[in-house]
Order: sequence, then structure tokens, then C-alpha cells
Amino acid sequence: TQLLEQSPQFLSIQEGENLTVYCNSSSVFSSLQWYRQEPGEGPVLLVTVVTGGEVKKLKRLTFQFGDARKDSSLHITAAQTGDTGLYLCAGGWGSQGNLIFGKGTKLSVKP
Amino acid sequence: KAGVTQTPRYLIKTRGQQVTLSCSPISGHRSVSWYQQTPGQGLQFLFEYFSETQRNKGNFPGRFSGRQFSNSRSEMNVSTLELGDSALYLCASSFRDRAYEQYFGPGTRLTVT
Repeated sequence: TQLLEQSPQFLSIQEGENLTVYCNSSSVFSSLQWYRQEPGEGPVLLVTVVTGGEVKKLKRLTFQFGDARKDSSLHITAAQTGDTGLYLCAGGWGSQGNLIFGKGTKLSVKP
Repeated sequence: KAGVTQTPRYLIKTRGQQVTLSCSPISGHRSVSWYQQTPGQGLQFLFEYFSETQRNKGNFPGRFSGRQFSNSRSEMNVSTLELGDSALYLCASSFRDRAYEQYFGPGTRLTVT
């Protein structure tokens, strides 16, 4: 049973377009992380959200944690080719390191 | 500050053999977690170590084991390798009280033939 469902699985867009990636669960998490992974490398932490309803912005990326702490979204404004990669969400409980990962959204931004 | 390092980066083994993978965390990080990443299942949690003690364990068979040393370096071992163990094995380190904020190494690509 996959506790974290990500959608869409694949996304191919043109440079300059906006996009949103979703991460949904029936479980409540203490924290939710978003990572980006490029081929041959480990995931890189983008953001952590811990409060229901929290919104964090990182340049053109906006992250939101659902009020019930069961879901999250990642919105990218004016996508660039450098945004290409696998976006992963991960949920955690308490302060410990046993994260549950979604299967990821593979984003391709074409010039 | 140096990142998480994993050795070796690539490994080819035969069914039935065993393998040991190594992970050196970021300086000051004392929590180390291990994950298996495959195309079909994505990233799956193996185990977490803190202060040389296994703090959490994922749903993997007993052939998968690990340990942590006093300098926080960690190793994982897979015995009696199976074809299905072929995967990217990722190690991540973090601070004790924010172990959910994990910093990953580049991984070890294990191929079992």
C-alpha cells in the first residue's frame, strides 16, 4: 500500500509554463519534505513543512502543506529547463528519520 | 562542509554472494538512514541508526542489516543476494532532533547477476 500518492507521474511542459505537482495521503504526517533528484544522484532536499496550512516559497517554487497535514503541493512558476528532474515528496512522523516517499513526478521542461 | 559520501559507487555481484556498503555522514550529523530505490517501488526505507543504535526498521527481510560506528559512519550488509536486490542504495544523514530533514549521498548502484 502506497501511503503517499503523487500526481501526475510524468509531466512534459515548455519553458515558461506553470505547473503543480500533488502529494496526497490518507495518513497524517508531522512533517513533509520535497526533494528533487537528477539521474545518477541522490535526492536533494528542497523544503520542509511542518505546520498545517503552511506555505513556503523558494524563488519560483511554492510549497503548501494541507490544513489536515495529509497532503501537499508544489507549484513552479515560469518553469526553466534547469527544473527538469524527479520531484519526490516524503512524509515523516515525529523527529525521526523513517520517511515514507511518494513514487515521484518526473518533470521535463523543454526549451 | 563535505556532503554525504557513499562507497563504492557501483558494484556488480552474483546471486548468493553478500555485499557491504559504506556511508560517511555530514560532519555533526548523528542520524543515518538507508533507503532502497528501484524503478517499480521508488524509495523504500530500510533502517535508521542513531548513536550506534537502530532506531527504526523498514519492512525488509533479515538479509538486510546495518550498523553504525562511534564516529557516526554506517554500513549496510545484504547477505545471500537475490536478483531483486538490484537497486540504488541511498544513505542520508541528519541532525538528531530533525532527522526528517535528510541529506542524501549519491548512492551505490548494486547490480546482481
